[in-house]
Amino acid sequence: GQNIDQPTEMTATEGAIVQINCTYQTSGFNGLFWYQQHAGEAPTFLSYNVLDGLEEKGRFSSFLSRSKGYSYLLLKELQMKDSASYLCAALDSNYQLIWGAGTKLIIKP
Amino acid sequence: IAGITQAPTSQILAAGRRMTLRCTQDMRHNAMYWYRQDLGLGLRLIHYSNTAGTTGKGEVPDGYSVSRANTDDFPLTLASAVPSQTSVYFCASSAGQGNSPLHFGNGTRLTVT
Repeated sequence: GQNIDQPTEMTATEGAIVQINCTYQTSGFNGLFWYQQHAGEAPTFLSYNVLDGLEEKGRFSSFLSRSKGYSYLLLKELQMKDSASYLCAALDSNYQLIWGAGTKLIIKP
Repeated sequence: IAGITQAPTSQILAAGRRMTLRCTQDMRHNAMYWYRQDLGLGLRLIHYSNTAGTTGKGEVPDGYSVSRANTDDFPLTLASAVPSQTSVYFCASSAGQGNSPLHFGNGTRLTVT
């Protein structure tokens, strides 16, 4: 079956760095997305990786290892506004998105 | 407007009633989707449309129907609501290429009593 695993909840301190991991098992693979979702709001696109390696976008970076079925989202210089859920989603061979349940990130002062 | 508009924002519905959730986009995106989001579960695809005039079933289509008469509108209908359909419903669109990111509406919070 197809599956995405990510931690349910993480806590980090303002100004610190946090890494949110995601492992996936899909029938074929056409890339991996990360979305941010603040409580009560819609998910918004953060990143897309299809090749191995690290992609950096300001304070946020996303990493992919296709051979390990593994990705992570790295958030630097954490701000209180980064408190949100982070959703990992993989594209399978039919270009269908398989979603993880999301990681709730709590930032403490 | 720019983006996706969903209506209503929230609704309390008696079981057995019919309800249509509205979704309109102005980005001329080919593909549109309906998801439901429940606590502790990932987004689950209900129905999708790759282009106007076509629709397809997602992971959890039972009890729901959709239509795509034009590019902009993608309504979701619950023919006879049941309590298990209590959820937050998100409409989304994408340019249609497989790796195009999804743009989401603000959601409809539906409670079926």
